[in-house]
Formats: sequence, structure tokens, C-alpha cells
Amino acid sequence: EPEVTQTPSHQVTQMGQEVILRCVPISNHLYFYWYRQILGQKVEFLVSFYNNEISEKSEIFDDQFSVERPDGSNFTLKIRSTKLEDSAMYFCASSGALGQKPYEQYFGPGTRLTVT
Amino acid sequence: GIQVEQSPPDLILQEGANSTLRCNFSDSVNNLQWFHQNPWGQLINLFYIPSGTKQNGRLSATTVATERYSLLYISSSQTTDSGVYFCAAGRDLTGGGNKLTFGTGTQLKVEL
Repeated sequence: EPEVTQTPSHQVTQMGQEVILRCVPISNHLYFYWYRQILGQKVEFLVSFYNNEISEKSEIFDDQFSVERPDGSNFTLKIRSTKLEDSAMYFCASSGALGQKPYEQYFGPGTRLTVT
Repeated sequence: GIQVEQSPPDLILQEGANSTLRCNFSDSVNNLQWFHQNPWGQLINLFYIPSGTKQNGRLSATTVATERYSLLYISSSQTTDSGVYFCAAGRDLTGGGNKLTFGTGTQLKVEL
């Protein structure tokens, strides 16, 4: 069964450093998402991406964040200058093959980011 | 945006017991999903159920879209069912996909 994969599974970085979190969505999906979950809290939406552009973003997704689909398979989230409060589990998701409605989302296993 | 509320926040069961988890949402949706978060933090997709009823083994779910709630039933619970159960709802307004709004979850502990 196709699945969403994410790398790395755990990343430790120092405050102020740039990090790139990588995701490989399900190959025929057209809609891509990033969510985050701070420890002990609920999962929060960050951004959705469709047709090579951001379709929606939350207020969390400020200028420190960016997303990119550099090739036909990867979807990345970049945090330009990490802060302590960026420590969280980051989930990538994808949905909607061609001709399908984009609704059901499939989640990756997550990347746990720790900022020290 | 859509508001999602889950109840109860915590639940302790003896192995073999049945339980019902509830999710209320504030607006019409075209996506309603239930997830189980395992001890490693992974979100396991249980059901995509914007309306109707589905069953998968000991788990089943029902969404009554007109009344804006969804129920997750766990029968004959096992210790491996322990973890946090999240409900998430979404509505595609722009044609660019639908962001999911998650509830705060139900923390389930199943004891021997």
C-alpha cells in the first residue's frame, strides 16, 4: 500500500539554525500539507500546497517558514532560523489523485524536531 | 474556521470493555477523519467518514453530518488500543485542498 514517508525521523538543531524537513507524498497525489504537534497538544495545520503554490496557510506559518516541491517526488518544509518554540513533531500529509476529490488525507510518520 | 470538540478527554477501561468516543464539529464538512496516535507519535488513519457508518474489525464509526457529530466505537478493547484518539474535520473552500482542524483528543488507557 502506498504511504507517505518523512526524513529524518528525529532532528536536533541549535537555535538560529536552518532546518529542512523532507517528505515524499503518495506518488499520484496532488495536494500536500504540513502540520505540527507541540508535545502534549493537538495537531495544528501549517500550510497546504496545490498546483505548485500555497493554497492556504495558518497564522503560525510566518516568514520563517517556506515550502517547496523541488522535483516530482519531494515536498519540503524549511524553517529559516529555528526558535525553541519550533520544537514539535512535524507531519506531512497528501491527498487527492487526479480525478479524485482531495479530501481524505494520508499522514507520514512525522519528524520530531528538537531545538536546543 | 471549523471548531472540533472531543469527549471525553480521558478514558480508562478494563480489557474487554466497549467504549464510545464523540466528536462534535461546528460547520458542514466534506472531510471527517479519525486517527489513533500510537506511543511513538505516529498518526494511524482509522476512518475517513464524512457521513454514514463504517466498520473495521473491532472499530466502527458513524458520522451524522446533519447533526454535526461523529462517534467512534471500540469493542472488546485491548491494551494495544491505548493511546490518543483524534478526530479531524475539514472543508474545501478554495479547491486547493482542505485543511484539517483537529480536536484535542481522547486519551484512552486500557488496563488488564
